[in-house]
Amino acid sequence: GQQLNQSPQSMFIQEGEDVSMNCTSSSIFNTWLWYKQEPGEGPVLLIALYKAGELTSNGRLTAQFGITRKDSFLNISASIPSDVGIYFCAGLNSGGSNYKLTFGKGTLLTVNP
Amino acid sequence: NAGVTQTPKFRILKIGQSMTLQCTQDMNHNYMYWYRQDPGMGLKLIYYSVGAGITDKGEVPNGYNVSRSTTEDFPLRLELAAPSQTSVYFCASKFPPTAYNSPLHFGNGTRLTVT
Repeated sequence: GQQLNQSPQSMFIQEGEDVSMNCTSSSIFNTWLWYKQEPGEGPVLLIALYKAGELTSNGRLTAQFGITRKDSFLNISASIPSDVGIYFCAGLNSGGSNYKLTFGKGTLLTVNP
Repeated sequence: NAGVTQTPKFRILKIGQSMTLQCTQDMNHNYMYWYRQDPGMGLKLIYYSVGAGITDKGEVPNGYNVSRSTTEDFPLRLELAAPSQTSVYFCASKFPPTAYNSPLHFGNGTRLTVT
C-alpha cells in the first residue's frame, strides 16, 4: 500500500523556536492533511491542503502542498509549551466512494519552557 | 453534539478472550473508520464503512470484525484476542467526500492490552 515518510521522528526544542516537519511519498496524493494528537486523545485536524502548491496558515501554523503532490511540510512559528504532542501528516486519494487516509508515523514534539 | 464516543477507555484481556469496542457518533456522518495506533507506527486502518449495511477491509483487518446496522454505531469485534492486538484503537467518522472535504473526527481512543 501507499506509505508516507514523515520526519523527523521527534524534536526537542526551546519555547519560542520555530519548528519544521515534513512528509514525503512515492505516490501522488490529492489532499494533504496535518493532525495533532495530545496524550489520551484522538488526532485533531490542524490544516487541510487541497491543491498542489497551496500554502495555508492557521495561526502560528503554516503548511504547504508540494508542487509534485508527493510531499508536504508543516511549520510552527514561535513555539509554546502547549504545542507539545504528536503531529501526523496524512495523504488522501479520494475516488468514487473511497476515503481512506494514509498516515505518516508521526513527529513527537517536546517544547521546553 | 458529543461527537465520536468510544467505550471502554481502557481494557485488559486475556489471550483468547473476545470483546467488542463500541463507537457511536451523533453527527449523522455516513463514513466511519477504525484505526489502531502502535507506538512510532502512526495509524493503521482496520475496517471502514461508507454507510449502514456496508463495510470494507482496511490495511490490517485480520483478527477483527465489524458491523454497521445503524448510521450512528460502528462496533469493532475481537473474537480471539492475541498479544499482537495490544494497541490503542481509534474510531473516526466524517461526511462523504466533496470538493472540499469535511474533516475526519476522531474519538478519544480505547487502550487495549492483551496478556
